[in-house]
Amino acid sequence: EDQVTQSPEALRLQEGESSSLNCSYTVSGLRGLFWYRQDPGKGPEFLFTLYSAGEEKEKERLKATLTKKESFLHITAPKPEDSATYLCAVQAVSFQKLVFGTGTRLLVSP
Amino acid sequence: NAGVTQTPKFRILKIGQSMTLQCTQDMNHNYMYWYRQDPGMGLKLIYYSVGAGITDKGEVPNGYNVSRSTTEDFPLRLELAAPSQTSVYFCASSYSTSGDNEQYFGPGTRLTVT
Repeated sequence: EDQVTQSPEALRLQEGESSSLNCSYTVSGLRGLFWYRQDPGKGPEFLFTLYSAGEEKEKERLKATLTKKESFLHITAPKPEDSATYLCAVQAVSFQKLVFGTGTRLLVSP
Repeated sequence: NAGVTQTPKFRILKIGQSMTLQCTQDMNHNYMYWYRQDPGMGLKLIYYSVGAGITDKGEVPNGYNVSRSTTEDFPLRLELAAPSQTSVYFCASSYSTSGDNEQYFGPGTRLTVT
């Protein structure tokens, strides 16, 4: 069964304090790994897709990396506006569906 | 483009009532999805559709029905609402299974069944 586990559940950072969020996955053939950002009371917003081990993608202060077992979302010098829940999801080669993790709630204090 | 729109934003139902959650996308996406999100549980797929006239069950379809008569619309029907259906419901769409398959989400419908 395809599974996604995200850690930590919650993370509190000071503004400028860099850190990483983890997404561990098991999937029967990875088609893609997706990162989303979700603000309170809103729908998830797409950030990145990673397709193969070793791939990296960046957007502003965020960088996503992928290995065969996990993905990291690195946040460099975060700002309060980066506060959100970050969701990870995987899509298997054989399925259209995404399997989501439960997310990491990030709070960045000024 | 408005993207994915959902109505209503909030709704309170009594046990046993029925309702339809509306979802429309204007991106000409083939694929559409319905998820529910419960606290600490992540997003769970209820139903999905790969095109007009074609629907299939996801992980948690019991108590729900869908139809897809047009590319743009994908309504979710709740029959005989139960407290276990209290949740936030998200509709999403994507272009294709191959290549980039990022799903675009609507703003959600917060449903309470009492």
